Amino acid sequence: KAGVTQTPRYLIKTRGQQVTLSCSPISGHRSVSWYQQTPGQGLQFLFEYFSETQRNKGNFPGRFSGRQFSNSRSEMNVSTLELGDSALYLCASSLMGSTNEKLFFGSGTQLSVL
Amino acid sequence: GENVEQHPSTLSVQEGDSAVIKCTYSDSASNYFPWYKQELGKGPQLIIDIRSNVGEKKDQRIAVTLNKTAKHFSLHITETQPEDSAVYFCAASFSNFGNEKLTFGTGTRLTIIP
Repeated sequence: KAGVTQTPRYLIKTRGQQVTLSCSPISGHRSVSWYQQTPGQGLQFLFEYFSETQRNKGNFPGRFSGRQFSNSRSEMNVSTLELGDSALYLCASSLMGSTNEKLFFGSGTQLSVL
Repeated sequence: GENVEQHPSTLSVQEGDSAVIKCTYSDSASNYFPWYKQELGKGPQLIIDIRSNVGEKKDQRIAVTLNKTAKHFSLHITETQPEDSAVYFCAASFSNFGNEKLTFGTGTRLTIIP
């Protein structure tokens, strides 16, 4: 079974631009969560999608948005990029998205904002 | 609000010795506490978890203990090996008015000295 796939692996953008990251979950998994990882801050929860609906949301500004398609693939968009958005963005999939479920993480997209 | 504190942030131990990482959480209603291991260039991977109705769980060289009264839980790795070198994250489940999520600690970089 293929694991969680995130593309692209690396991205370099400049301030003010926007970016879209993609995540393909494990086949059969209906929940996709997104996390931002920065040194010293650990993993910060962005949002969770289940059956094309955003079900849970973290404390990030509206510049961070996402969506999920009918095949459970998910995209995350960041508009008007700031230097502080430089981070590793991880997505994780699970069967039903319960907080008691095992999460399967992708290898992440490393975003650098110059 | 939900909060998970993790200590230490870095830990170096001699190969063969034991390593202990500690976490505290703020919400007494939390009932699921997983530990994830992140190797260089990869996403985090679940290594062990514990639920609130259990005080201790073991899986070969790793064990987790939970003290619900004190709201803290710990990861114990015995007979450490070079492949144990990684970043370890603890997490706790939170539920707030229907908004459910897993909140992670800030991570511990464990280095095993050969």
